[in-house]
Amino acid sequence: GEQVEQRPPHLSVREGDSAVIICTYTDPNSYYFFWYKQEPGAGLQLLMKVFSSTEINEGQGFTVLLNKKDKQLSLNLTAAHPGDSAVYFCAVSEGTNAYKVIFGKGTHLHVLP
Amino acid sequence: EAAVTQSPRNKVTVTGGNVTLSCRQTNSHNYMYWYRQDTGHGLRLIHYSYGAGNLQIGDVPDGYKATRTTQEDFFLLLELASPSQTSLYFCASSDTGASSAETLYFGSGTRLTVL
Repeated sequence: GEQVEQRPPHLSVREGDSAVIICTYTDPNSYYFFWYKQEPGAGLQLLMKVFSSTEINEGQGFTVLLNKKDKQLSLNLTAAHPGDSAVYFCAVSEGTNAYKVIFGKGTHLHVLP
Repeated sequence: EAAVTQSPRNKVTVTGGNVTLSCRQTNSHNYMYWYRQDTGHGLRLIHYSYGAGNLQIGDVPDGYKATRTTQEDFFLLLELASPSQTSLYFCASSDTGASSAETLYFGSGTRLTVL
């Protein structure tokens, strides 16, 4: 079945610096891709979802890139601020098994003021 | 705003104890899920349901039962709790199955400690 590797597990950056989190997946039929953010003491909240194409999606202060050729999904925070400190999870839907999403192991991001 | 409420927020029990974790969603969503979150493993799916009375097995179901009594309510049952079940448990809901690009809406979690 699908396997999702997420790196790095921990990341510390200074305020204003960029931060990049990368996920690789194995199932070439995977179709839906998600980034979730988990703030301390809270559940996960959706940051962005992307679909089955090579694309760049931009949100507020971040960019998501999907590269299907390399089976890689990345989250780039362009100018991190302390409010970005959280655990970030990528998630990938299995192409052959409906109603099942595989999560990466998470990245603890710490933005230093 | 979608709402998923879990209770209790924290729970401590002893080995062999009986524990029920509760989840209620007010989103009118069809699908509900129970995950556990452990360091080094991320989130792993225990059970899920696509409607009242329905139950589907997830990836790590051993030692857990679940019951969906209504569209709103989904319960996770640990009838003989073991220390390996010490974890942070999340409930989530989605309008359709999670693989159709529908957003998962998560509760705030229940931290369970089994002594």
